[in-house]
Amino acid sequence: KAGVTQTPRYLIKTRGQQVTLSCSPISGHRSVSWYQQTPGQGLQFLFEYFSETQRNKGNFPGRFSGRQFSNSRSEMNVSTLELGDSALYLCASSISRTGSLPGNTIYFGEGSWLTVV
Amino acid sequence: QKEVEQNSGPLSVPEGAIASLNCTYSDRGSQSFFWYRQYSGKSPELIMFIYSNGDKEDGRFTAQLNKASQYVSLLIRDSQPSDSATYLCAVNGGEKLTFGTGTRLTIIP
Repeated sequence: KAGVTQTPRYLIKTRGQQVTLSCSPISGHRSVSWYQQTPGQGLQFLFEYFSETQRNKGNFPGRFSGRQFSNSRSEMNVSTLELGDSALYLCASSISRTGSLPGNTIYFGEGSWLTVV
Repeated sequence: QKEVEQNSGPLSVPEGAIASLNCTYSDRGSQSFFWYRQYSGKSPELIMFIYSNGDKEDGRFTAQLNKASQYVSLLIRDSQPSDSATYLCAVNGGEKLTFGTGTRLTIIP
């Protein structure tokens, strides 16, 4: 069974540009969450999508957005990139929405390393 | 106060000994608790989860949960050099999973 797949794995962008990251969840998983990981802040929750609807959102500016498609695949977009957006962006999938079941577990993809110069 | 707190370490443990990792959380309504392991440059991988008070064992790993005291711990028995990694505690307080900043564990051969 394939795991969570994220593309691209590595990318370099210039300040002011935008970027789109893609995530394919584990087959059968309907929830996709996105996290940003930096050395200083750790893992920070961005948003969660379930059944093509954003169910929860973290404390990030509106430059960060996402969407989910009918096949559960998800994309996240960051517009007007800033140097501080350089981070590892992790996608995670789970069978159901976070909090819906006691043992509902999220599984991470390998991440997309974004460097903003 | 941070929602999920972990000692950042580094925690150094001799090979073969027991490594003890601790995590405290602030939301009393938290329901599920997860431990992830993250090797440098890699993504977090699930070790185990627990949602009932007490101990839960899986191989060399034991998770312990005490909801009254709001802490969860992870014990690693017979520590191996391959256990050297950062261990992340995650707490499900309802609609999102909140992660601690992780404890860096080093197993000394």
